[in-house]
Amino acid sequence: GDSVTQMEGPVTLSEEAFLTINCTYTATGYPSLFWYVQYPGEGLQLLLKATKADDKGSNKGFEATYRKETTSFHLEKGSVQVSDSAVYFCALTSRRGNQFYFGTGTSLTVIP
Amino acid sequence: EAGVAQSPRYKIIEKRQSVAFWCNPISGHATLYWYQQILGQGPKLLIQFQNNGVVDDSQLPKDRFSAERLKGVDSTLKIQPAKLEDSAVYLCASSPRRGATNEKLFFGSGTQLSVL
Repeated sequence: GDSVTQMEGPVTLSEEAFLTINCTYTATGYPSLFWYVQYPGEGLQLLLKATKADDKGSNKGFEATYRKETTSFHLEKGSVQVSDSAVYFCALTSRRGNQFYFGTGTSLTVIP
Repeated sequence: EAGVAQSPRYKIIEKRQSVAFWCNPISGHATLYWYQQILGQGPKLLIQFQNNGVVDDSQLPKDRFSAERLKGVDSTLKIQPAKLEDSAVYLCASSPRRGATNEKLFFGSGTQLSVL
């Protein structure tokens, strides 16, 4: 079945460091791919998305490119801030039924 | 725009007791989801409604969990009787319509359930 495999955490970085959180997927057909973020004490919210191969989603300095050949959707940011500390979830929607599949989440802590 | 509302925010019960959670989705959103998020794991879909009909409840433990969405708006999720392994955050989410696979979900803040 469809699934998402996400890099395990927790990840701790210093402010202004480069961030990569790996995400690979298994799906039939061509899913849409998402990164959701959960800040402390808040609900999940969409960070960025990509709906077809080679699309790049971007928001708040974060980017991820839909790579069909490697079935990946890695999240990157060139310079993290303390305010980026949160849990990041990779997700996909199956084209069969609009069900969302989430990864296990990666906790990021950015220290000053 | 008002977001997805959930209550209560926290709930502590003893095993074998009953508990109910309430969700009010964003106005006009046809699709409503209930997810279970166990600590350290990603959200797992329990049930998906399209208006007031069930689209997918394949992962709902129907011997103890039930959900309804009367009039296609608010929804309640009930657990009866609760087990220790039900301790989790229960998330409600909504989206405008079904079938648009590039649509995003709007999540509530969740209800954190502790079963003692």
